[in-house]
Amino acid sequence: QKEVEQNSGPLSVPEGAIASLNCTYSDRVSQSFFWYRQYSGKSPELIMSIYSNGDKEDGRFTAQLNKASQYVSLLIRDSQPSDSATYLCAVNIGGNYKLTFGKGTLLTVNP
Amino acid sequence: KAGVTQTPRYLIKTRGQQVTLSCSPISGHRSVSWYQQTPGQGLQFLFEYFSETQRNKGNFPGRFSGRQFSNSRSEMNVSTLELGDSALYLCASRLGEMYEQYFGPGTRLTVT
Repeated sequence: QKEVEQNSGPLSVPEGAIASLNCTYSDRVSQSFFWYRQYSGKSPELIMSIYSNGDKEDGRFTAQLNKASQYVSLLIRDSQPSDSATYLCAVNIGGNYKLTFGKGTLLTVNP
Repeated sequence: KAGVTQTPRYLIKTRGQQVTLSCSPISGHRSVSWYQQTPGQGLQFLFEYFSETQRNKGNFPGRFSGRQFSNSRSEMNVSTLELGDSALYLCASRLGEMYEQYFGPGTRLTVT
């Protein structure tokens, strides 16, 4: 089993819709979870971090964490064409500061 | 506050050569991590330095090495370059014991 898995996508949603991105991880002791956004040709940009079970909201973004199910998700409300990018899930596997990334989900928001 | 900077941004090298990449973290950040990103393997962790000490190392051959200086700036070296080393090399910095890592723009290395 891969350590961090994401829906490979691509995911296409219309402008204004909710985009839902999912990620599962294998290590039960992981405590820190991150979502990065990466535009084509650019470096990853941190958009959300979450450490506790439940929801964390920041503007149009909501991260959801369920440690029992080893599942973390990112919801983007009112999706905009500018949200079109690859979204990377990252986890601190093993409790150290090394980030293990999923392969990313390409999101396209259609005007 | 200035972000993470990396130099050079683009590099073309020949197989068998060596290369050194540089990273300056966000001011006040003492941890620097290096990652390799390729289309096939995605983002993979290379190593992490904190206060001039390597704290973690990924599963890369010994041709990949790094160091960190007293001002927290870090360098990464790849010796005996192979075609498969062509990738985007990303540096990320972290403040103290916080977990959030912030990436620089990356160095695009092409090995011919």
